[in-house]
Amino acid sequence: NAGVTQTPKFQVLKTGQSMTLQCAQDMNHEYMSWYRQDPGMGLRLIHYSVGAGITDQGEVPNGYNVSRSTTEDFPLRLLSAAPSQTSVYFCASKVAGAGEQFFGPGTRLTVL
Amino acid sequence: QKEVEQDPGPLSVPEGAIVSLNCTYSNSAFQYFMWYRQYSRKGPELLMYTYSSGNKEDGRFTAQVDKSSKYISLFIRDSQPSDSATYLCAMSAEGNSGTYKYIFGTGTRLKVLA
Repeated sequence: NAGVTQTPKFQVLKTGQSMTLQCAQDMNHEYMSWYRQDPGMGLRLIHYSVGAGITDQGEVPNGYNVSRSTTEDFPLRLLSAAPSQTSVYFCASKVAGAGEQFFGPGTRLTVL
Repeated sequence: QKEVEQDPGPLSVPEGAIVSLNCTYSNSAFQYFMWYRQYSRKGPELLMYTYSSGNKEDGRFTAQVDKSSKYISLFIRDSQPSDSATYLCAMSAEGNSGTYKYIFGTGTRLKVLA
């Protein structure tokens, strides 16, 4: 049972490049989400999904796209990277309803 | 005003001290209260999870919720150098369509000195 896995661990992009951050979970959780963590800002929700085929925006969705074709995977796409997207990105999953969110190890992204 | 306020620290204490970490919040709809521990360059991991007001104890950790004051606390007894980490408070409330809104504090950095 690997829990929540994220790839890559580190990434450096140039402004304007696109990329996909991968997230997978093997706990059969319905709910998955993406957060970004910046100094002094805490964890901010980017997008979330309550099940395969269903996604919605969080607090800071601009510049990011998501899709959920399977229960296990929830990739985050950066369409045209900007320096303001330099951050640490965490994927999380949980069962439906209230409950503990399980976090992945994070992806450190730098946009030059 | 932020929905959740948390002192960023850093907080330095000697080994064996009792540590008190706190958060205040403004939204009375929050029902579930959590404390996460985050080691450097790692993802947050859940330490304590409570519902409504009261105390919950787990080993050296005690979580306290006072909904009337909109104040939550985490106490660490007999602190160890391995407790050195950033502690995030979090709370959630039911939103639209049965989903739950989670809000995280900015985290308090704790260093326990040997």
